[in-house]
Amino acid sequence: GIQVEQSPPDLILQEGANSTLRCNFSDSVNNLQWFHQNPWGQLINLFYIPSGTKQNGRLSATTVATERYSLLYISSSQTTDSGVYFCAVGTLWGTYKYIFGTGTRLKVLA
Amino acid sequence: EAQVTQNPRYLITVTGKKLTVTCSQNMNHEYMSWYRQDPGLGLRQIYYSMNVEVTDKGDVPEGYKVSRKEKRNFPLILESPSPNQTSLYFCASKANTEAFFGQGTRLTVV
Repeated sequence: GIQVEQSPPDLILQEGANSTLRCNFSDSVNNLQWFHQNPWGQLINLFYIPSGTKQNGRLSATTVATERYSLLYISSSQTTDSGVYFCAVGTLWGTYKYIFGTGTRLKVLA
Repeated sequence: EAQVTQNPRYLITVTGKKLTVTCSQNMNHEYMSWYRQDPGLGLRQIYYSMNVEVTDKGDVPEGYKVSRKEKRNFPLILESPSPNQTSLYFCASKANTEAFFGQGTRLTVV
């Protein structure tokens, strides 16, 4: 089955710093989403981005489907950005199932 | 507002006592699914449903049942819970694009 790898696994930043999170996937996908899991466990939709580039405030994402990777950019990080960031992909042949990456655990220090 | 609502949010129960976790969505999505999240294992799909009265097993279906009598509801049933079902559970619904996840149900079986 499709493999989804995220890097780095852990990241500690000072407030105000920028960061780039990466998601590599091993096969063609027709769905890709980025989520933020907050300290209370809730999965927050960040981007639905099977291809192209999107921006939402301090966050932006780019997916290069032909090269099988996606990037999530966080600029001017805040302590509320702390948590785990997941990339999830769905394949052309799947049953709308999402395969989740292992996540990047981000801690932003004040 | 697009929403997937799970109840309860937290539950502590004893081994063998049947329980149901409810899930409801207000987006008229045909596809719904259940995931569990465990440390070191990530999020894994339990069951999914492509439409009313159409359900199928995901990757870890043992010990769970589901039903889909109405489009908006997709309850998860644990007939005889065991401690290895202690986990964080998520319900999701999806159309052709992004998936929406519920707030999560943290279940502890003692």
